[in-house]
Parts: sequence; structure tokens; C-alpha cells
Amino acid sequence: DTGVSQNPRHKITKRGQNVTFRCDPISEHNRLYWYRQTLGQGPEFLTYFQNEAQLEKSRLLSDRFSAERPKGSFSTLEIQRTEQGDSAMYLCASTDPGQEQYNEQFFGPGTRLTVL
Amino acid sequence: DQQVKQNSPSLSVQEGRISILNCDYTNSMFDYFLWYKKYPAEGPTFLISISSIKDKNEDGRFTVFLNKSAKHLSLHIVPSQPGDSAVYFCAGAFAAGNKLTFGGGTRVLVKP
Repeated sequence: DTGVSQNPRHKITKRGQNVTFRCDPISEHNRLYWYRQTLGQGPEFLTYFQNEAQLEKSRLLSDRFSAERPKGSFSTLEIQRTEQGDSAMYLCASTDPGQEQYNEQFFGPGTRLTVL
Repeated sequence: DQQVKQNSPSLSVQEGRISILNCDYTNSMFDYFLWYKKYPAEGPTFLISISSIKDKNEDGRFTVFLNKSAKHLSLHIVPSQPGDSAVYFCAGAFAAGNKLTFGGGTRVLVKP
């Protein structure tokens, strides 16, 4: 297993366009998380899935954001009508509370979004 | 409402010496705390964690101390190595597998 992967690594878009990011978690990790990190800040929780069920969404997640995990494996995060304030690093993480001793989450390398 | 704070944005230490990173939290309901390290262009990497019922956890060069009455935890790195130069984040979590609440990070520079 090569860990959590995210695609694309970088995305530049114009304001108003839609973007979609993909996250492939560690195999058999049933929980998948999305975080957003802006410059100089720590990651902020956006949403998480237990298998295919979306269990929690942050109030930071506006209606323009939607996330899916249709088969309980990979996940997508879509941002509609992007705004310059959406520019950030989007991080995905996965874990299996039954396996990981300290319930640590394993992070992917992130997708850096720049909205012009 | 910033529930986890790292008040020192940066730290510089000589190779071989001790690095002490501090973290304060406001929510006494956190069940455990974790420390992550982050290099540029990479995702955060788990370092060490501590349950809220413990006051110390040690793993090699890394030791985390928890003072619940002060709502404060610290990470000690001994001895510090140049490869430890990175941004360190502390995070709190409420229950197994639940979301992490991160501090703002401390950038550590270990000088050879």
C-alpha cells in the first residue's frame, strides 16, 4: 500500500469555475476525512465519511462544496463557482479506528488550489 | 473559536539540543491529542499521541507531556536533528476516529 493519494496535486482555475478533487485512501481504511489548510494556519476539518456515509460536515463547508464517497473507497470533493477565498491546500486523510493504535489519521500530499 | 493554540510560530534550536514545542487547548472534553510534522509540499505525518488519561508518552526521541489542569501539552525532541526541521502541529480529538482540531503550527529550524 502506497498510502493516501490525491489528484491533482495542483489546480489553477478562474473564479466561477467548478473544480473536483479526488482522494484514494489507504486500502481498507473505513474513515476518510477532508481538511483545508490556508497559509500559516493548521488544517481545518471539512467533512468525513464512515464507509460511504457522510457523518459530519463543518459549518465552514458552504453549499458550494460537496463531497462523495460512493462505494466507500475513493472520495471526491467538488467546489462549484469557485471564489478567490477558496484558494488553499485541500488535504485528505484516512484511518481505521479498529486498526490504528492511536487512531492517527494518515494524510495525503494534498491538492493545492489557486483561484485567479 | 480556536480550541487548540500554538502560541510560538517558530523555534530555532542547535543540533543535539532539546526542542520544546508548546500547545494550549480550551476544550477539556478532548479524549486524546496528537502531534504531526509537516514538510513543505507534503501532507502532515503522525508523530506521537497521548490519551487524556495519561500525563506522558514517549517514543524514541519524542516525548509528549500533558497537563490537564493547565490544559497544556508539550512535545520534547531530544536530541534535535537537522531532519527535524519542519512545521509541527498539535491536534485534539474527541473520540476514536473522529475529526482532528489543529493548532496553527510551530516552525522548527534545527541548525547544524
